[in-house]
Amino acid sequence: DTEVTQTPKHLVMGMTNKKSLKCEQHMGHRAMYWYKQKAKKPPELMFVYSYEKLSINESVPSRFSPECPNSSLLNLHLHALQPEDSALYLCASSQDPGGADGYTFGSGTRLTVV
Amino acid sequence: AQSVTQLGSHVSVSEGALVLLRCNYSSSVPPYLFWYVQYPNQGLQLLLKYTSAATLVKGINGFEAEFKKSETSFHLTKPSAHMSDAAEYFCAVSPDDKIIFGKGTRLHILP
Repeated sequence: DTEVTQTPKHLVMGMTNKKSLKCEQHMGHRAMYWYKQKAKKPPELMFVYSYEKLSINESVPSRFSPECPNSSLLNLHLHALQPEDSALYLCASSQDPGGADGYTFGSGTRLTVV
Repeated sequence: AQSVTQLGSHVSVSEGALVLLRCNYSSSVPPYLFWYVQYPNQGLQLLLKYTSAATLVKGINGFEAEFKKSETSFHLTKPSAHMSDAAEYFCAVSPDDKIIFGKGTRLHILP
């Protein structure tokens, strides 16, 4: 298995809702990442998990809450989002936490906040 | 902080012509460098990577890139463009435990 699987592919949520994005990989990678990508912009790093521990938080608002239950799974819990949080959320993983081998990306979750 | 600069937000080439997408990095020490491609409504796919083993790096789909320290460049090339190459291309650098992307170049292929 050489894929990163993200679910759901599309999500529409209200500003008072609580939802979660899920990311899974079975490549034995030890680092996992969340990126946010707005239209016509490059991906922006949100969080890095290395060996299941949060190692980087790029000053992301607390309405985004990451979780890494095990080495294969990464969640992003969403609560009280704003319309400007609408974006494509990308998960990635890498064998080496330093990223020297590059990342494997999932196809993303398209989030719309209404 | 390390970064990459992609010259040209849009590049148009004719089918069968040479593809050249430009990327310059800012670092006193050669970093890890990457090119990724993103097709509409999809995630990013790694085209190739430079990790100091060789200055000319070959990737997937016929793409290659040459690391030139003297020019701090890592330009992406393909000898003959196909219609299927139309996509967004991102140059990226890995300074620490993360990858930082350039602003991207949209490649248009003209029939």
